[in-house]
Formats: sequence, structure tokens, C-alpha cells
Amino acid sequence: EPEVTQTPSHQVTQMGQEVILRCVPISNHLYFYWYRQILGQKVEFLVSFYNNEISEKSEIFDDQFSVERPDGSNFTLKIRSTKLEDSAMYFCASMGTLYGYTFGSGTRLTVV
Amino acid sequence: DAKTTQPPSMDCAEGRAANLPCNHSTISGNEYVYWYRQIHSQGPQYIIHGLKNNETNEMASLIITEDRKSSTLILPHATLRDTAVYYCIAVNSGYSTLTFGKGTMLLVSP
Repeated sequence: EPEVTQTPSHQVTQMGQEVILRCVPISNHLYFYWYRQILGQKVEFLVSFYNNEISEKSEIFDDQFSVERPDGSNFTLKIRSTKLEDSAMYFCASMGTLYGYTFGSGTRLTVV
Repeated sequence: DAKTTQPPSMDCAEGRAANLPCNHSTISGNEYVYWYRQIHSQGPQYIIHGLKNNETNEMASLIITEDRKSSTLILPHATLRDTAVYYCIAVNSGYSTLTFGKGTMLLVSP
């Protein structure tokens, strides 16, 4: 069964550093998303991406965040200057049909 | 999107049917009911969705009341691997952003 692949599975970074989280969505999917989940809290929407542009973003997705689809396969989330409160699981998802999202297994980001 | 209400936790014996309820009394006519689950901090997993009619797939069945104000997800023969948090979400389309609540923590025991 097709999968959404996320790398790395775990990233530790120092506060103030830039991080790039990578995702390879399912190849024929057209809609892409990033969500995050702070430990013990709900899954929260960050941003959706369609037709090479952001289609929707949440209040969390401020100027420190950016997304990019640099080629036909990768979808990245960049955090420009990480803060302690950015520590969370980050989930990438893609969607191609009307049968629900396919989520990746996530990247655990730890900011120290 | 309509707000949904789910019990915080439920228990089920292995091999028995797990019936997970969801209230969505303010759902509008064009909103679908989607169910996802999250196993131990993995990425959420799509289970099933429906609009008006009952639906069944290889994972589960979805029963939606005639007035559409509530629904029930049925796992016909729960296994230990079905232990997870189950989320009921009302959305306008499958492409819509998902607003996750706290869901129902289903614990399947031997």
C-alpha cells in the first residue's frame, strides 16, 4: 500500500537553529498538508498546499514557517529559527482521492 | 465545520464488537463524517467516512442516524491492535483541513 514517507524520524536541534523536515507524499496525490502534535495535546493543522501554493494556513503557521515542493516528489517544512515550543511531532499528509488523508509516521522535533 | 462530541474513553474485550459513538448535532447537510484513529503517537490513519448512508469497508462500519445528528463507528471484531484514539470529524469535503478533538481512547483487552 502506498505510504507517505517522512525523514528524519527524530531531529534534535538547538534553539534558534533552522530545521527542514522532509516528506515524500504519495506520487499521484495533489493535496499536501502539515500537522503537528505537541506531546499530550491534540493534533493541530499547520498548512495545506495545492497547485504549488499554500491554500490554507493556521495561526500557528507564522513567518518562521515555510513550505516548499522543490521537485515533483518532496514536500518540505522549514522552521527558520526554532523555539522550545516548536518541540512536537510533525506529520505530513497527502490526499489524492475522496477517501481520506494518508499521514506519514511523523518527525519528532526536539528543540533544546 | 460542525463540532463533534465523543466519550473520552471506552473499553472493549478482544474479539467483541467495539461501538464508538459520536454526536454532531449541528452538522450541516453537506458535511461528511470522517473517522480517523491514532495508534500510540503514530500518524493518524483514515478509517471510513459517510454522508447519509451507512458505510462499510474492510476496517469498519459507519452507522449514521437518519437525522444525521449522531453516528457510530463499529469495529466488528476488535483486536489488541485496535487500541488507539479514535477521532470523529465533520468536514465539508475530504480535502478540508481536519480539526482534531480529543477523540475516544479505545482500550481493547484480552
